[in-house]
Amino acid sequence: AQSVTQLDSQVPVFEEAPVELRCNYSSSVSVYLFWYVQYPNQGLQLLLKYLSGSTLVKGINGFEAEFNKSQTSFHLRKPSVHISDTAEYFCAVSPYNQGGKLIFGQGTELSVKP
Amino acid sequence: SAVISQKPSRDICQRGTSLTIQCQVDSQVTMMFWYRQQPGQSLTLIATANQGSEATYESGFVIDKFPISRPNLTFSTLTVSNMSPEDSSIYLCSVVGTGAYNEQFFGPGTRLTVL
Repeated sequence: AQSVTQLDSQVPVFEEAPVELRCNYSSSVSVYLFWYVQYPNQGLQLLLKYLSGSTLVKGINGFEAEFNKSQTSFHLRKPSVHISDTAEYFCAVSPYNQGGKLIFGQGTELSVKP
Repeated sequence: SAVISQKPSRDICQRGTSLTIQCQVDSQVTMMFWYRQQPGQSLTLIATANQGSEATYESGFVIDKFPISRPNLTFSTLTVSNMSPEDSSIYLCSVVGTGAYNEQFFGPGTRLTVL
C-alpha cells in the first residue's frame, strides 16, 4: 500500500519570499512522483513529475522539486513566489505497474501575501 | 495532452436520488479513473473504469453505490446512487495520456451538492 503525507496544511508567505512545500511518501513498491496545483475554482494542473533520472526536476511557473529516495521525500520549492501562486498544491505518487492510478496527499494551501 | 469534458458541471440534488456524471475525452485512452474530492479535502480514487469489463473499485467504494460504465475508449459515466449529504463533493474523471508514462490529465470536475 502507498500513502502520501504533506506535512503542512497551510503555508502563508510574503510575495518574493522563497517557499518549500514538504511531501513524504511511503510505499512497498517503486513509485513515480508528481506535484499538482489547483487554483481557486479551477481543475488540477500538473506542475512537475519525477519518473527517473536526475533527482532534481523542474516544472512550470518556476517550481522545482527534489526526489530523495533515502528520505522518501519529494519537496517542492520556488525561490521567489508571486501573488498568482496562491493555490492548493497536491503531492501524489503512482505505483509502478498499476496502470497509472494516483494516491494523493492531503494538500497544502499556499497563501502569498503582498 | 488530452482534453476532457464533464457533464454536468454542477448539480444540486435531493437526498435519495441518483445522478449520472459523464466524462468525454477528445482521444482514445486506455486508462480512465474517477476521483472524489470532498469539501476542503484531497482527492480519493473511487475506481478505475475498464473498457469492456467491470470497473475496479478502491477500498471503501462499491459498485452498488457508484456504478460505472465505459462503453468505449473515449467515454465513461459515474452514477452516484441513493445520495445523501455526505456525497456532496467534486467528482473528477482523469485519463492517462498517450505521451509521457503515467501523466494524468483531469477533467474540470462535477460539483455535487446533496440536500
